Amino acid sequence: DIQMTQSPTSLAASVGESVTITCLASEDIYGSLVWYQQKPGKSPQLLIYGATILEDGIPSRFSGSGSDTQYSLKINSLQPEDFASYYCQNGLSTPYTFGAGTKLELK
Amino acid sequence: EVKLVESGGGLVQPGRSLKLSCAASGFNFNDYWMGWVRQAPGKGLEWIGEINKDSSTINYTPSLKDKFTISRDNAQNTLYLQMSKLGSEDTAIYYCARATGIPFDYWGQGVMVTVSS
Repeated sequence: DIQMTQSPTSLAASVGESVTITCLASEDIYGSLVWYQQKPGKSPQLLIYGATILEDGIPSRFSGSGSDTQYSLKINSLQPEDFASYYCQNGLSTPYTFGAGTKLELK
Repeated sequence: EVKLVESGGGLVQPGRSLKLSCAASGFNFNDYWMGWVRQAPGKGLEWIGEINKDSSTINYTPSLKDKFTISRDNAQNTLYLQMSKLGSEDTAIYYCARATGIPFDYWGQGVMVTVSS
């Protein structure tokens, strides 16, 4: 199985700041990387797929980058609604494993 | 509007079985792979498995392959998850989701399964 290691586990930031979350795959996943956002008590929401492609309706302050084994999710100019948990997912091969998540909290 | 509604959860004793359902609407169910993901209380997401459009391909995470069975009824627009030999480690919220290629683009609200005596 491909292991996905996310960092940091938690992150505190202020409204207006920019943050970056990283995801390291245990092997090359050739850009098959997905990011989700999950707010407390809610279902996950698809943000980015194919490492860089923004899902329809997702604000442009979210962006994804990376290749091979290393990927990043950047959120520019944090808004109050962005404080949530974020998960990466291996999209190359089954099982489509998730990272352990990053909780983004308000400083 | 795409809607996925899970049902069938609740309290179940260790060692027993339970079958979850996911009723789909607002899209052509026959055209999509579907999957299940679970989340233990306070923990992260765990991919359970997926099923293709005509049920000819079903993939599972290896640790759950002998306990869980995914199926679908395209005539009823319904996805199922049959769970057996349940243990406390299976206590979680179970989500069904629609797959568009690899990512899940729509998720249900989830259903809670609690395994306890």
